Amino acid sequence: DAGITQSPRHKVTETGTPVTLRCHQTENHRYMYWYRQDPGHGLRLIHYSYGVKDTDKGEVSDGYSVSRSKTEDFLLTLESATSSQTSVYFCAISEPGTGQGWGQLFFGSGTQLSVL
Amino acid sequence: AQSVTQLGSHVSVSEGALVLLRCNYSSSVPPYLFWYVQYPNQGLQLLLKYTSAATLVKGINGFEAEFKKSETSFHLTKPSAHMSDAAEYFCAVSERSGNQFYFGTGTSLTVIP
Repeated sequence: DAGITQSPRHKVTETGTPVTLRCHQTENHRYMYWYRQDPGHGLRLIHYSYGVKDTDKGEVSDGYSVSRSKTEDFLLTLESATSSQTSVYFCAISEPGTGQGWGQLFFGSGTQLSVL
Repeated sequence: AQSVTQLGSHVSVSEGALVLLRCNYSSSVPPYLFWYVQYPNQGLQLLLKYTSAATLVKGINGFEAEFKKSETSFHLTKPSAHMSDAAEYFCAVSERSGNQFYFGTGTSLTVIP
């Protein structure tokens, strides 16, 4: 299994509070991603990073921010959580290429976030 | 932008029957294509990928998929379903630069004993 650790695995919080989810990788992959998974929507990209301090928005970035100060860590922050952000959040990594293990996403185990 | 359409959000098959999960993509340039599987309460894992080598791609657990450019399709098949195949399956596409991935909405496979 790819070395991707997400923390926490489960989080319950209240509307209006800040929340930070952490993704840590040991694979030295250049790209890191945050997705959210919701029934009927599949996986939707929130933000991604293509290097230290280099990030870009995905299709559902409103209400989220990210930071990547080290290759191995990618943080997702909900500045003021809302009930619509209740979801399962997945971190993923990739390294471009076409050989074995390249050009594909490797996923963490996910974080179940409930905003009450 | 690229997009992926998975026909059928739920598919049921009998144990031992053929599994066929459909995926169509839209892209002006042949992309890279993937199938991922998600078992309950787990992350996604790669079943197989197409990156412009052979059009028939074999993956893990007996699954395979065929890239058909004329039909812009990448359907997933398995000759004989097993109970352990029950899961959510996602088709995904990426640009050849390999840094943007787009997912379909998923197909939930149920295997009936």
